[in-house]
Amino acid sequence: NAGVTQTPKFRVLKTGQSMTLLCAQDMNHEYMYWYRQDPGMGLRLIHYSVGEGTTAKGEVPDGYNVSRLKKQNFLLGLESAAPSQTSVYFCASSYYGFLYEQYFGPGTRLTVT
Amino acid sequence: AQTVTQSQPEMSVQEAETVTLSCTYDTSENNYYLFWYKQPPSRQMILVIRQEAYKQQNATENRFSVNFQKAAKSFSLKISDSQLGDTAMYFCAFRTGANSKLTFGKGITLSVRP
Repeated sequence: NAGVTQTPKFRVLKTGQSMTLLCAQDMNHEYMYWYRQDPGMGLRLIHYSVGEGTTAKGEVPDGYNVSRLKKQNFLLGLESAAPSQTSVYFCASSYYGFLYEQYFGPGTRLTVT
Repeated sequence: AQTVTQSQPEMSVQEAETVTLSCTYDTSENNYYLFWYKQPPSRQMILVIRQEAYKQQNATENRFSVNFQKAAKSFSLKISDSQLGDTAMYFCAFRTGANSKLTFGKGITLSVRP
């Protein structure tokens, strides 16, 4: 039981390049989330999904796209990376229902130069 | 809008002493869950404790307990017998029944001194 895993753990991009972050969970959770963490800002929600084939915008969605083609996977894409997207990205998942905690992946540190 | 405020950016405590981390929140919902997450230097987010808004009894998990004041919308975390391993950033968060999202505060960095 691996929980929530994220690939890659570190990445350096040049401005304008694209990349996809992969999140996978093996807990059969319905909900999945992508956050970014910046110093002094806490965790801010980028996009989330309440089930396979569904996605929704969070607090800071601009510049990102997501897809949830399979229940266990949630992909975060950056089509044209910008230095402002330098951050640590966390994926999380949970069961349906607000009483359930969110389980977090180990994070991906992304640097855009 | 739902917000979480952690007004203290940093705190320090001597090993074996007690420390309280403050958190206030704002929501128009009546039913919700409150959480404290810990993020040690490893970066992994770990759930410390949770509290249901409908329960008057404060939650306790070993050395961690909360002081939940619903009317004041306050949810503080007390760490007793602080240990060096408690050094971490702590985030207060809540989740309502109206949506599936977790709203986080900006976090507080706690340092435990030997």
